[in-house]
Amino acid sequence: AQSVTQLDSHVSVSEGTPVLLRCNYSSSYSPSLFWYVQHPNKGLQLLLKYTSAATLVKGINGFEAEFKKSETSFHLTKPSAHMSDAAEYFCVVSAGGSYIPTFGRGTSLIVHP
Amino acid sequence: EPEVTQTPSHQVTQMGQEVILRCVPISNHLYFYWYRQILGQKVEFLVSFYNNEISEKSEIFDDQFSVERPDGSNFTLKIRSTKLEDSAMYFCASRWGQANYEQYFGPGTRLTVT
Repeated sequence: AQSVTQLDSHVSVSEGTPVLLRCNYSSSYSPSLFWYVQHPNKGLQLLLKYTSAATLVKGINGFEAEFKKSETSFHLTKPSAHMSDAAEYFCVVSAGGSYIPTFGRGTSLIVHP
Repeated sequence: EPEVTQTPSHQVTQMGQEVILRCVPISNHLYFYWYRQILGQKVEFLVSFYNNEISEKSEIFDDQFSVERPDGSNFTLKIRSTKLEDSAMYFCASRWGQANYEQYFGPGTRLTVT
């Protein structure tokens, strides 16, 4: 069994300040973890993925995430928010057995000028 | 870069009608999926498809739903008799393998049932 908890439904930041979107997971197997972004009226785009290699993963648009097994977390960060980062972000876990990805509920990132 | 495509982008239908949502996955991918996202809610898994058969389905995917890969390129989701609560964004996804492979998502079809 696997599950994902995104701890914040909304995160609001000012442009140029750091972003932190939190994700905790549970899995009976060693998981693969993903972050996807969804801009309004658009599909889901992969930001980055963790697949048991380096625990610090760099993605597109300056985002990165760190896999912490002891904390069962995979938080997404960015040093400096841009207005174009305003979107919905989904944390996804996929693990052994069926490998069916499970989505978190999503975190809406709001960026103020 | 290859991408997953979906048609139509928006479908409006009356309750009780049949709808078919179409997807063209990335050509060398082997695993195919349908998800739905009701407005304001999380993305929910509906069904996965591999080797020309359903490999897994959720409790949402009842007898009103069916999937097909009729010609080796298209992947369709059929809803036989739509209900108001079927109104949602439907996403198709594909991936080459399971374990460490990410899914590639289409842009979605917004289904509105009136």
